Amino acid sequence: QKEVEQDPGPLSVPEGAIVSLNCTYSNSAFQYFMWYRQYSRKGPELLMYTYSSGNKEDGRFTAQVDKSSKYISLFIRDSQPSDSATYLCATPPFSGGYNKLIFGAGTRLAVHP
Amino acid sequence: EAQVTQNPRYLITVTGKKLTVTCSQNMNHEYMSWYRQDPGLGLRQIYYSMNVEVTDKGDVPEGYKVSRKEKRNFPLILESPSPNQTSLYFCASSRRQRGGTDTQYFGPGTRLTVL
Repeated sequence: QKEVEQDPGPLSVPEGAIVSLNCTYSNSAFQYFMWYRQYSRKGPELLMYTYSSGNKEDGRFTAQVDKSSKYISLFIRDSQPSDSATYLCATPPFSGGYNKLIFGAGTRLAVHP
Repeated sequence: EAQVTQNPRYLITVTGKKLTVTCSQNMNHEYMSWYRQDPGLGLRQIYYSMNVEVTDKGDVPEGYKVSRKEKRNFPLILESPSPNQTSLYFCASSRRQRGGTDTQYFGPGTRLTVL
């Protein structure tokens, strides 16, 4: 079993839709979760991060962690064509370690006008 | 502008011909790493470096070498490339921080094809 699982999609939605992107993880010790966005032919860039359980909101984006079910989500409200990208969830595999990240496979999102 | 640069961006080579992919960052970061990205597998860490002259294996180190002689540079070396190393490679850097919570900055990627 992969430590972080993510449905690769692709996910295609109309402009203005609410998008839900999801990952599951296997190790309950994971505490810190990140979402990276990767545009075509570019490197990933950090979009949001969240610690432990609960929600974190940043503009049209909301990151949510449910530690009881080991489930993390990224919601995009009022999706725009510029949101078309691959979204990767990631987590550091152990506390006290340095900088290593475990990534999900990434979900490709297409928002069409 | 804060950035991570990689060269070359695209490379087609043949089996067994040694190659080096360069990576450089201008943010004075201690930590640098190399990932490969393959469809369905996501990003997997190849090697990482905590600081100058300190490197260690990631999850998929076989067939790769690295060196860290200067803080800003972290080249990836394929001594004898094979077709299974055809992939998209990313270099990343960040401050060294316990817990892995610091933002990692990624380069633009190097698409390597080994024939």
